Amino acid sequence: GQNIDQPTEMTATEGAIVQINCTYQTSGFNGLFWYQQHAGEAPTFLSYNVLDGLEEKGRFSSFLSRSKGYSYLLLKELQMKDSASYLCAVTPSTDSWGKLQFGAGTQVVVTP
Amino acid sequence: NAGVTQTPKFQVLKTGQSMTLQCAQDMNHEYMSWYRQDPGMGLRLIHYSVGAGITDQGEVPNGYNVSRSTTEDFPLRLLSAAPSQTSVYFCASHGSGTGSGANVLTFGAGSRLTVL
Repeated sequence: GQNIDQPTEMTATEGAIVQINCTYQTSGFNGLFWYQQHAGEAPTFLSYNVLDGLEEKGRFSSFLSRSKGYSYLLLKELQMKDSASYLCAVTPSTDSWGKLQFGAGTQVVVTP
Repeated sequence: NAGVTQTPKFQVLKTGQSMTLQCAQDMNHEYMSWYRQDPGMGLRLIHYSVGAGITDQGEVPNGYNVSRSTTEDFPLRLLSAAPSQTSVYFCASHGSGTGSGANVLTFGAGSRLTVL
């Protein structure tokens, strides 16, 4: 079956670093996405990994290990506006990139 | 650019009623999809379309119908609403081609449906 696991909630202070882990077991794999979702809003794209290694985009970085079925999203220099749910999603096939399988999301709470 | 537009934003139905959630995109994207989001379960794919006239079932298609008569529109129909369909529904679209940018989903703002 399909399984994408991520922690339910994490708390960190402003200015700190938080790492959100995601493990997956899916029937196929062709890429892993991270989305950010603020309460009551739509998910918005953060990052994408298809090859092993680290992708850096400003304060956000995402890492992928395909052999381990593992990814993490690293949020640096946390700001209050980073309080949101972070969704890990896998695309299992090359012919349908939009058919994503999502984890349940990790709620990140940033405290002053 | 409006992106992906969903209507209505909120809807309350009684069990057995039917309704259509509208979705339109103005980015000329070939691919469109409908997801539902429930607490603790993440987003689950309901139906998917790779172009006008072509649709495919996702993970949880039962109780929902779709059609794609134009590139822009992808309505989701609930034929006989049930309390289990109480959820937040998101429509999304993405373009084609190579590279990660083409495959990034753009989501609509969501439609919150309550079935009594």
